[in-house]
Amino acid sequence: ETGVTQSPTHLIKTRGQQVTLRCSSQSGHNTVSWYQQALGQGPQFIFQYYREEENGRGNFPPRFSGLQFPNYSSELNVNALELDDSALYLCASSGRVGGARFDGTQYFGPGTRLTVL
Amino acid sequence: ELKVEQNPLFLSMQEGKNYTIYCNYSTTSDRLYWYRQDPGKSLESLFVLLSNGAVKQEGRLMASLDTKARLSTLHITAAVHDLSATYFCAATTSGTYKYIFGTGTRLKVLA
Repeated sequence: ETGVTQSPTHLIKTRGQQVTLRCSSQSGHNTVSWYQQALGQGPQFIFQYYREEENGRGNFPPRFSGLQFPNYSSELNVNALELDDSALYLCASSGRVGGARFDGTQYFGPGTRLTVL
Repeated sequence: ELKVEQNPLFLSMQEGKNYTIYCNYSTTSDRLYWYRQDPGKSLESLFVLLSNGAVKQEGRLMASLDTKARLSTLHITAAVHDLSATYFCAATTSGTYKYIFGTGTRLKVLA
């Protein structure tokens, strides 16, 4: 069973640029959630995708957008980067696998560290 | 709006001692999760608590949930250095799977 993977690991951008982060969900999971974790803080919910549709959004501006693909992998796009966007971006997948009871546990990837200069 | 608070924010303890981390949440939540994060790493699932009075234990860690008090605790028994990490609790708004995380408790176990 393959876990959640994210790419790239690290990224450096300048203000005003655009960035795309990628996430592959764990095998059998159809839901992907994205979180932003600033240094020393808890993760903040950005949005969630379920079967290719957005299924909830946190308090993030529209320049944060996403996609989920038929294989349930996902992208997070951020336009017009600001210095405050510097953070660890975490992707998490979840879903009912086989006949197992679904308890909502999200499994996190290793994250993408974004630095905006 | 669901809010989650943890205390303490920082905890420095001696090996062999016991301590408890507290997680309070502001509105009804049907699920409570605990995660561990090592420096520079991602989050590792520890426990999920689904009902009032639920108790889960793994090694030196035990988590419990009191939905009436809107409180979850993570109890550490006879701490060892390997438990040094940041511990997060997360609650979900009823009917959704959107996690609201607490601020985290940075635990340091001293030899």
